[in-house]
Amino acid sequence: GENVEQHPSTLSVQEGDSAVIKCTYSDSASNYFPWYKQELGKGPQLIIDIRSNVGEKKDQRIAVTLNKTAKHFSLHITETQPEDSAVYFCAAADFGNEKLTFGTGTRLTIIP
Amino acid sequence: NAGVTQTPKFQVLKTGQSMTLQCAQDMNHEYMSWYRQDPGMGLRLIHYSVGAGITDQGEVPNGYNVSRSTTEDFPLRLLSAAPSQTSVYFCASSYAASGGPDTQYFGPGTRLTVL
Repeated sequence: GENVEQHPSTLSVQEGDSAVIKCTYSDSASNYFPWYKQELGKGPQLIIDIRSNVGEKKDQRIAVTLNKTAKHFSLHITETQPEDSAVYFCAAADFGNEKLTFGTGTRLTIIP
Repeated sequence: NAGVTQTPKFQVLKTGQSMTLQCAQDMNHEYMSWYRQDPGMGLRLIHYSVGAGITDQGEVPNGYNVSRSTTEDFPLRLLSAAPSQTSVYFCASSYAASGGPDTQYFGPGTRLTVL
């Protein structure tokens, strides 16, 4: 089955700086890679996703890059703000299969 | 739209007790799933369903049962609670269109403690 590794487990950055979270996956059949944000006491919420037919996707201050050859994908948050503080999860799934395999999460803290 | 709702929000059980965690969605989603979240282990899939009457096991199914009699509801049953089942449980749903995996919407979670 799929195995997703996520690094780092904790990350602290100064407000306004950029944050990068990296994930690797094992199953070459995976082609859907979402990122979820979980705020304290709430369920995870999708912030961005990418499919294997593209290498990069942006949504305002958030971007995701995908390297299928190396089997890794990354989340980039620019101009970080205090409200970006949360736990972020990467995940992977293959086409036609709704089952997501999650990474272990990154706790991001934005220092004012 | 209420989205995905879960009840109860908190529950304390004694070892050996049984209970049902409720999950409902009003988005007409075909796919529903249950995850447990433990510190340092991310979200692990317990059971999932691709439509009414169809369920299957995920990564950690032991000690849990599910059924899907309607599109809206997907309850999770703990048969005989054990301390190892202390966790936060999330229900999720997605449209599951033929075009491939879609956004999964998560409920607010149920925090379960087994003494």
